[in-house]
Amino acid sequence: NAGVTQTPKFRILKIGQSMTLQCAQDMNHNYMYWYRQDPGMGLKLIYYSVGAGITDKGEVPNGYNVSRSTTEDFPLRLELAAPSQTSVYFCASSYERTSFVTQYFGPGTRLLVL
Amino acid sequence: LAKTTQPISMDSYEGQEVNITCSHNNIATNDYITWYQQFPSQGPRFIIQGYKTKVTNEVASLFIPADRKSSTLSLPRVSLSDTAVYYCLVGELMNRDDKIIFGKGTRLHILP
Repeated sequence: NAGVTQTPKFRILKIGQSMTLQCAQDMNHNYMYWYRQDPGMGLKLIYYSVGAGITDKGEVPNGYNVSRSTTEDFPLRLELAAPSQTSVYFCASSYERTSFVTQYFGPGTRLLVL
Repeated sequence: LAKTTQPISMDSYEGQEVNITCSHNNIATNDYITWYQQFPSQGPRFIIQGYKTKVTNEVASLFIPADRKSSTLSLPRVSLSDTAVYYCLVGELMNRDDKIIFGKGTRLHILP
């Protein structure tokens, strides 16, 4: 199993550009999450999904959009990139939420907006 | 979810035992305590989880006193490769609106 994979690893965007961060998992997990981590800080939840077709906002959803058309994929869309979105983005997945089970994280995407 | 408080940073030396304590005074009856480890440039990784008393696995031990208002992650005989950020999380997540919150964690620096 590859676990949770993310692409790209690194990207530089100009202000106002858009891009999609890709996330895929091969563990058949129902729950998937997007976090951002600013330098020296903890992780903040952007969006999460409890299954295909169902998504919900986290702590910091503004400026982002998500979709979940399959169990495996959970892309994160930035429509109008801003310098404040410079961060490292982590995707994670878990089998269920209700028992606080392990979240499996991807390697991250480092995004720089100039 | 219960709020947690842990030291911002700690230093230790190779071969020592390291104990990181997390305070969670408002822990609820059904809450579990979970610790994650994050190496530089990587995503967090689950280390250990417990509810009460003591839990041990191949990586660490977790000590939880009877009142459960704190917990201690114990790393035996640390090496340079244990340098990482360690996050303490407390919660049950029974409601859809519950969200896992990663604080700043404890930045552990192992010295040779």
